[in-house]
Amino acid sequence: NAGVIQTPRHKVTGKGQEATLWCEPISGHSAVFWYRQTIVQGLEFLTYFRNQAPIDDSGMPKERFSAQMPNQSHSTLKIQSTQPQDSAVYLCASSLDRQGVSNERLFFGHGTKLSVL
Amino acid sequence: QQNVQQSPESLIVPEGARTSLNCTFSDSASQYFWWYRQHSGKAPKALMSIFSNGEKEEGRFTIHLNKASLHFSLHIRDSQPSDSALYLCAVRDGMGYKLTFGTGTSLLVDP
Repeated sequence: NAGVIQTPRHKVTGKGQEATLWCEPISGHSAVFWYRQTIVQGLEFLTYFRNQAPIDDSGMPKERFSAQMPNQSHSTLKIQSTQPQDSAVYLCASSLDRQGVSNERLFFGHGTKLSVL
Repeated sequence: QQNVQQSPESLIVPEGARTSLNCTFSDSASQYFWWYRQHSGKAPKALMSIFSNGEKEEGRFTIHLNKASLHFSLHIRDSQPSDSALYLCAVRDGMGYKLTFGTGTSLLVDP
């Protein structure tokens, strides 16, 4: 089991450019989460998919961030018109979603470090 | 809006010491309480969780939970250099899926 796979590991963009981050969850995991990690804010929840359906995007900056899960094997986080304050490590996590189990552990990928110059 | 705070921000302990990390939360309806560990440059990895008031031990690690005080803690017995990492506490809310994390405690175990 390769774990949660995120690509690329590092991405450098110029201010105003678009960035697309990819996540491949663990096979069989139907819950997928995106978080953003910075030194100051720590791990911030962005969005959550269950069985590919968007359930909660309450952490997403509405204007420039979007996330999709077109199939069970990958999810994307797209940031339009990137700004220096978007610089962070973007972490994807997946978990099982078993009937009657309400405390599944999250398995994180290594993250994509986004640097906006 | 759940607010999760950790203390201290950083900690240096000698090898073999007992280490205590603290976490407070704001939503009294919170149901599950987790500790994750993140070694430098690596993915956060779940250590253990607790649901009921009291304590739970797994090897050298013990969680204490006091829901009335909105507080839980992680204690590491016989700390090892390999325990040096960022420790993240997390709280799962009443909806059952969302984990809210603290900003972390950076632990360095000095050999």
